[in-house]
Amino acid sequence: EVQLVESGGGLVQPGGSLRLSCAASGFTFSSYAMHWVRQAPGKGLEYVSAISSNGGSTYYANSVKGRFTISRDNSKNTLYLQMGSLRAEDMAVYYCAREFVDTAMVIDYWGQGTLVTVSS
Amino acid sequence: DIQLTQSPSFLSASVGDRVTITCRASQGISSYLAWYQQKPGKAPKLLIYAASTLQSGVPSRFSGSGSGTEFTLTISSLQPEDFATYYCQQLNSYPITFGQGTRLEIK
Repeated sequence: EVQLVESGGGLVQPGGSLRLSCAASGFTFSSYAMHWVRQAPGKGLEYVSAISSNGGSTYYANSVKGRFTISRDNSKNTLYLQMGSLRAEDMAVYYCAREFVDTAMVIDYWGQGTLVTVSS
Repeated sequence: DIQLTQSPSFLSASVGDRVTITCRASQGISSYLAWYQQKPGKAPKLLIYAASTLQSGVPSRFSGSGSGTEFTLTISSLQPEDFATYYCQQLNSYPITFGQGTRLEIK
């Protein structure tokens, strides 16, 4: 069974940093591109970042470019999102997600999400 | 960035109704579109990709169509478990973008 378990969310002050982790199991992690997608309270889905299966290619939304860094450790089956210079508008549930092997950018599995709260 | 606009944003319907949700892209994206369903407090679920391909395990009452800039998601006969929020997503190019969502509620 595919499982994606996010951790690392919590309360952080504006301007602060946080690192999210996503532990993957039930599939060959190193064979799949992975994504982070967020959802502010009561709002829609917003793409954050993506990384290719070997980590060689990364993509970012304009809203987080230069502040967030996506990475992965295929030996640990873990995806990361390093977030810096956090703003109030970054407050959201952050979902780790697996890309569908058959079609690029389609997401076929999602984690349960981890909440990031940005507040002083 | 490619913008996606869904209509309507809110839809009230009854069990057994046929409903259609539209997603319009700001530029042509061929058939590079997916649809997701999200229930409150839950992660989204993939319904359809490549505009019209039903994901494994998704009931056949869901269907998708369209290409270029206009796409539709149709539910042929609403079931109680279908009341949720639906999002389209473009797969044409990065950055990935989603529509703003269509909330489907029970009339």
